[in-house]
Amino acid sequence: GAGVSQSPRYKVAKRGQDVALRCDPISGHVSLFWYQQALGQGPEFLTYFQNEAQLDKSGLPSDRFFAERPEGSVSTLKIQRTQQEDSAVYLCASSSPGQGYEQYFGPGTRLTVT
Amino acid sequence: QQQVKQSPQSLIVQKGGISIINCAYENTAFDYFPWYQQFPGKGPALLIAIRPDVSEKKEGRFTISFNKSAKQFSLHIMDSQPGDSATYFCVAGTGRRALTFGSGTRLQVQP
Repeated sequence: GAGVSQSPRYKVAKRGQDVALRCDPISGHVSLFWYQQALGQGPEFLTYFQNEAQLDKSGLPSDRFFAERPEGSVSTLKIQRTQQEDSAVYLCASSSPGQGYEQYFGPGTRLTVT
Repeated sequence: QQQVKQSPQSLIVQKGGISIINCAYENTAFDYFPWYQQFPGKGPALLIAIRPDVSEKKEGRFTISFNKSAKQFSLHIMDSQPGDSATYFCVAGTGRRALTFGSGTRLQVQP
């Protein structure tokens, strides 16, 4: 079946603009994760959903970051008033209880703030 | 706070050689240790994973060795091939929750 998809793949924003990044998880996957990957670094956890419930948002770096998953499927990560330090690849992953802990990652959205 | 420390940062291996990447973790609550492989422009993909009740797991050319008392684990890639050239991340997790990634090892296998 189809994997995790993310859109857009690339986003350029001027400092101060708001951006919205979309994630379509694998169909039927109840858990959804967002990670931030800076250039040359490993991904870092941002937030986690189980169905529509956001169970952990401890990794969100500031109150400018907001994520939602209103119907327990598609998720959107929103960044308000973008700053240069927000430039990174934003990865989405999904998992299913039937597949243990394995998280399947999408290709990511590369955000560049100028 | 770096909870998973990975080394080396980069590695060059000749085709047919053995690639070895080492990791150490701090949080004893971690109970899931996968390795992810990432190619440029792609998301990480699960390569192989181990639980702490097992000391070694082998899948094809890839082997994880796990030392619970030392809080260390490593990835061995036997008969390394140019197609293995990628960035490898050691990872640790707790339950079905967030994963903690190491900083990555960029592997280059020379033909």
